Amino acid sequence: NAGVTQTPKFQVLKTGQSMTLQCAQDMNHNSMYWYRQDPGMGLRLIYYSASEGTTDKGEVPNGYNVSRLNKREFSLRLESAAPSQTSVYFCASSERDRVNQPQHFGDGTRLSIL
Amino acid sequence: SQQGEEDPQALSIQEGENATMNCSYKTSINNLQWYRQNSGRGLVHLILIRSNEREKHSGRLRVTLDTSKKSSSLLITASRAADTASYFCATSRGSASKIIFGSGTRLSIRP
Repeated sequence: NAGVTQTPKFQVLKTGQSMTLQCAQDMNHNSMYWYRQDPGMGLRLIYYSASEGTTDKGEVPNGYNVSRLNKREFSLRLESAAPSQTSVYFCASSERDRVNQPQHFGDGTRLSIL
Repeated sequence: SQQGEEDPQALSIQEGENATMNCSYKTSINNLQWYRQNSGRGLVHLILIRSNEREKHSGRLRVTLDTSKKSSSLLITASRAADTASYFCATSRGSASKIIFGSGTRLSIRP
């Protein structure tokens, strides 16, 4: 049982390049989330999908797009990468987007934009 | 915007000692969660305490919540080398998408 799987684990991009980060969960969870983690800061929510077919903006959505491909998969796309998007990106899932729901995290994608 | 703030930012203790980390927040919450993050890994959920609960235990972990002071503490008893990690509190005012993470406490256990 893999839980939440993210690919790739590491990536280096040049400014202006595009890239899609992949995330898949095998826990039959309805809700999925994308966060970024920067040094000295907590995780900040970029986008989330409360259920298959829906997506909503989080705290820091600018420069990103998402696609909930099916119940298992939720991808994050950088259309034109900028150095400010250098970060560690985490995907998470929860059974439902309701109160008192813990989240389950992948191991992250470490992204550097040159 | 960060709601929970952990204290201290870093903590180094001897193996076998107890470790206490604190989290303060500003607005009312539905629950407060603690997560652990090992170096290079994702966050792992440790414990969730609801706003109407005052204390909760899970193995060597003890979490308290004081809603009047808007604070929580995480106690790890009889620390082990494997407890070396960053610990984050996360406060929730509604659905899971509304949780806000603090900036974490880095715990180091000296052998």
